[in-house]
Amino acid sequence: DTGVSQDPRHKITKRGQNVTFRCDPISEHNRLYWYRQTLGQGPEFLTYFQNEAQLEKSRLLSDRFSAERPKGSFSTLEIQRTEQGDSAMYLCASSLATGISEQFFGPGTRLTVL
Amino acid sequence: GENVEQHPSTLSVQEGDSAVIKCTYSDSASNYFPWYKQELGKRPQLIIDIRSNVGEKKDQRIAVTLNKTAKHFSLHITETQPEDSAVYFCAANNYGQNFVFGPGTRLSVLP
Repeated sequence: DTGVSQDPRHKITKRGQNVTFRCDPISEHNRLYWYRQTLGQGPEFLTYFQNEAQLEKSRLLSDRFSAERPKGSFSTLEIQRTEQGDSAMYLCASSLATGISEQFFGPGTRLTVL
Repeated sequence: GENVEQHPSTLSVQEGDSAVIKCTYSDSASNYFPWYKQELGKRPQLIIDIRSNVGEKKDQRIAVTLNKTAKHFSLHITETQPEDSAVYFCAANNYGQNFVFGPGTRLSVLP
């Protein structure tokens, strides 16, 4: 499968625990995006990278959220001290950086915080 | 920052009829407007997109129109089929930077 992959697909955790998600973009894509989607809503932008550089982060994003893309390939999204309000689908997408380019989404990681 | 509104939030049509979903955006610098279809439990899939230098684009039963002056764009689906039932999202983007999505339209095609 040469598409965007995410791991794990589902995560159940207790409030206060830390969680980390992984995204592997399409290999030649140098832009990588993280979104959060709750039921009945559109994807909400969290952050994006071009290669290893984090170029933009949502102002609405809590300091408990951090993302990395250390070698410009896969990316991780960590949520510290999870809260019930963090329960959502976390989507990753990738695209080429050359001008206007289509985004391809991964299958998402569904987080449930108990 | 960019803000995207989308209407209607739900839409029911009879099979074979047309469906139209409208989006407005606020940032005149946005120049790329994709539409995504998301079926229950699945990832968003791009169905059509339009760039700001084009007013209309068609792909079989799907078309998108863009009015840059009014800052709105619309998705048109003709001859709807039950498999068109899904949630549709519009988005606005400026040179591959942050994508801003609309809240979605749940389309139901009734047989």
